[in-house]
Amino acid sequence: GIQVEQSPPDLILQEGANSTLRCNFSDSVNNLQWFHQNPWGQLINLFYIPSGTKQNGRLSATTVATERYSLLYISSSQTTDSGVYFCAVGNNAGNMLTFGGGTRLMVKP
Amino acid sequence: EAQVTQNPRYLITVTGKKLTVTCSQNMNHEYMSWYRQDPGLGLRQIYYSMNVEVTDKGDVPEGYKVSRKEKRNFPLILESPSPNQTSLYFCASSLSFSPYYGYTFGSGTRLTVV
Repeated sequence: GIQVEQSPPDLILQEGANSTLRCNFSDSVNNLQWFHQNPWGQLINLFYIPSGTKQNGRLSATTVATERYSLLYISSSQTTDSGVYFCAVGNNAGNMLTFGGGTRLMVKP
Repeated sequence: EAQVTQNPRYLITVTGKKLTVTCSQNMNHEYMSWYRQDPGLGLRQIYYSMNVEVTDKGDVPEGYKVSRKEKRNFPLILESPSPNQTSLYFCASSLSFSPYYGYTFGSGTRLTVV
């Protein structure tokens, strides 16, 4: 099956700092999503981005499908950005998402 | 508001007592699935459904049942829960059984089996 690796596993930032999270995947994909799991456990869909670049406020994401990686950028981080960020890729059959191990982000005030 | 709704959010039960976790979506999505999340193991798929009356096993189906009698609902049934089913459960839906659509997840159900 598809392998999904995220880095770094843990990240501590001071409020206002910028960061880049990386997701590498082992095979070509047609479906890639970024999620934020907040401290209450909820999984929030950030981006559906199988290729190209998207932006939503302070967050943006870029997927280079030919090189099998995706990046999530967080600018001017806030304490509410804390939580775990997951990258998930869909198999070509369309019946399953494979999740990476996540990046645990802590933003300190 | 477009959403996936799971109930209950929290549940503590005893070994062997049958329970059902409900999942409902209001987006007319064809595809629905269940995942469980465990420390160190990440999120793993339990079952999925491509449409009404069509379901199939994911990676970890043992000890679970599902049904899809209506398009909007996809309940997860634990006939005889055991402590190793203590986990955080998520229901998800997508427009279609295809790799070209994003998934929307419910808020999760934290289950403890004692």
